[in-house]
Amino acid sequence: QKEVEQDPGPLSVPEGAIVSLNCTYSNSAFQYFMWYRQYSRKGPELLMYTYSSGNKEDGRFTAQVDKSSKYISLFIRDSQPSDSATYLCALNSGGYQKVTFGTGTKLQVIP
Amino acid sequence: EAEVAQSPRYKITEKSQAVAFWCDPISGHATLYWYRQILGQGPELLVQFQDESVVDDSQLPKDRFSAERLKGVDSTLKIQPAELGDSAMYLCASSLTSTEAFFGQGTRLTVV
Repeated sequence: QKEVEQDPGPLSVPEGAIVSLNCTYSNSAFQYFMWYRQYSRKGPELLMYTYSSGNKEDGRFTAQVDKSSKYISLFIRDSQPSDSATYLCALNSGGYQKVTFGTGTKLQVIP
Repeated sequence: EAEVAQSPRYKITEKSQAVAFWCDPISGHATLYWYRQILGQGPELLVQFQDESVVDDSQLPKDRFSAERLKGVDSTLKIQPAELGDSAMYLCASSLTSTEAFFGQGTRLTVV
């Protein structure tokens, strides 16, 4: 079993839709949770970072963490064609441990 | 805005040749990572430095890959000899607190 599971998609939605992206994990030592956006042939760009259960909002993006269920989500409101990219969840247990990534979900927002 | 610098952006090499990638992390970031990303997959850690010391190289194929960060600032990743299966994106990232990591644009390697 992989430490982090993420549906690779692809996920196609119409412009303006609410998008829900999810990851599950098995290692309860993970304490820090990140979402990255990666455009084709580019490096990952950090979108959201949180270290606690609950919600964190930044503009159209909301990160949600449920440590009891080992489940994390990224919601995108009013999705735009420019949001079309691969979204990677990433987890870390702190203490100079490595950052472990999901496989990424490819999102396409159709105008 | 500070960013992680990587070079070259693209590299094509013949199998059995040597190839090297360079990374300059964000100033002040003590933690530096090298990741490999195969198309359609998430990044996988090759090596992690804390200052000039290696803290995790468990997934680095040491028979052909080497990495160094001599002064605890910039870093070089080398492959010798390159194999066809090494074709991938090589990503460097740095972190101030060993939690969130910031990535460079990567080096896309093609081995022919």
